[in-house]
Amino acid sequence: GAVVSQHPSWVICKSGTSVKIECRSLDFQATTMFWYRQFPKQSLMLMATSNEGSKATYEQGVEKDKFLINHASLTLSTLTVTSAHPEDSSFYICSARRTAGNSPLHFGNGTRLTVT
Amino acid sequence: AQSVTQLDSHVSVSEGTPVLLRCNYSSSYSPSLFWYVQHPNKGLQLLLKYTSAATLVKGINGFEAEFKKSETSFHLTKPSAHMSDAAEYFCVPSGGYNKLIFGAGTRLAVHP
Repeated sequence: GAVVSQHPSWVICKSGTSVKIECRSLDFQATTMFWYRQFPKQSLMLMATSNEGSKATYEQGVEKDKFLINHASLTLSTLTVTSAHPEDSSFYICSARRTAGNSPLHFGNGTRLTVT
Repeated sequence: AQSVTQLDSHVSVSEGTPVLLRCNYSSSYSPSLFWYVQHPNKGLQLLLKYTSAATLVKGINGFEAEFKKSETSFHLTKPSAHMSDAAEYFCVPSGGYNKLIFGAGTRLAVHP
């Protein structure tokens, strides 16, 4: 069964509003979670690494004020797309590891964001 | 640094025929490598992983991959394709700070 739950699976919002996406590890604690963005027919682009109890680490070119990440507990990370615009429309996917090192990532089912 | 190259952006096979998705890696040391599958509008599912314990790795849904150091390859294979195998496949190395960096992927189409 799913070990990482992502919510909502899809959301439509108006330009200028903010949208929050949740990522939960269901049966393990994740000190680190990762947020990816995927455009149609393209690969996943790592946006940021979410660290429990500390600031997220953003990849080059990703606006930290635009994409707010909060990792307040060992099982929950949230991504808030602030003042959304149509170009923010995309598929957002979170992931988490059970342990550190080379264990595989478990992925949520993604969130389809459409900004009108 | 680790990186991979998926040699084919698209692969098309007939149902019941073998599947070969190619992946070559570049690393100064033995990497950890993963194959993931993504069905449309879904997250990613782990097919199999290589972490140096065995060179032939069996995964889910009948897929397997063989790590060949001499060829720096980690190709994904399946003896007989099913319609449900149509998806996007990613060969991914474990990157720095435990993050996974994705390449372009290979889109597999399966025809009746």
